[in-house]
Amino acid sequence: EDQVTQSPEALRLQEGESSSLNCSYTVSGLRGLFWYRQDPGKGPEFLFTLYSAGEEKEKERLKATLTKKESFLHITAPKPEDSATYLCAVAPYGNNRLAFGKGNQVVVIP
Amino acid sequence: NAGVTQTPKFRVLKTGQSMTLLCAQDMNHEYMYWYRQDPGMGLRLIHYSVGEGTTAKGEVPDGYNVSRLKKQNFLLGLESAAPSQTSVYFCASNHGEGATQYFGPGTRLLVL
Repeated sequence: EDQVTQSPEALRLQEGESSSLNCSYTVSGLRGLFWYRQDPGKGPEFLFTLYSAGEEKEKERLKATLTKKESFLHITAPKPEDSATYLCAVAPYGNNRLAFGKGNQVVVIP
Repeated sequence: NAGVTQTPKFRVLKTGQSMTLLCAQDMNHEYMYWYRQDPGMGLRLIHYSVGEGTTAKGEVPDGYNVSRLKKQNFLLGLESAAPSQTSVYFCASNHGEGATQYFGPGTRLLVL
């Protein structure tokens, strides 16, 4: 069974305090790994797709990396507007479904 | 482009009532999905469609039905609502297997 585990569940950061979120996965064959951002009361907003181990992608203060067993979302010098829940999901080969983790809730304090 | 839109945004039902949630996308995507999101459970797939006229069961299909009569629309029906169906429902769409899924803003449903 495909499984995605995200840690930590919740994280409080001071503005400017860099940190990393972890997404560990087990899947029969990985077609892609996705990161989304979700604000309260809104739908998930796409951030990144990673396809192979060693791949990295960046967007503003966010950087996503991928290994064969896990992905990290690094938040560099966060600002209060980076406060959100970050969702990780994997797309297995031969399956139309995404398997989602439960999310990392991030609060950035000014 | 509006992307993925959902109607209604919020609804209150009494146990046993029925309703239909509408999802529309203007990205010409083949695949569409319905998820529910509950605290501590993450996003769970209810039903999905790989093209007009097709539907398939997801992880938690019981109590729901779907239809995909037009490529751009995907309807989720509750025939007899139960309190356990209180949740936030999200629709998503993409071009195909493994492609990025794009989500709608959600429908918050409360069943009393």
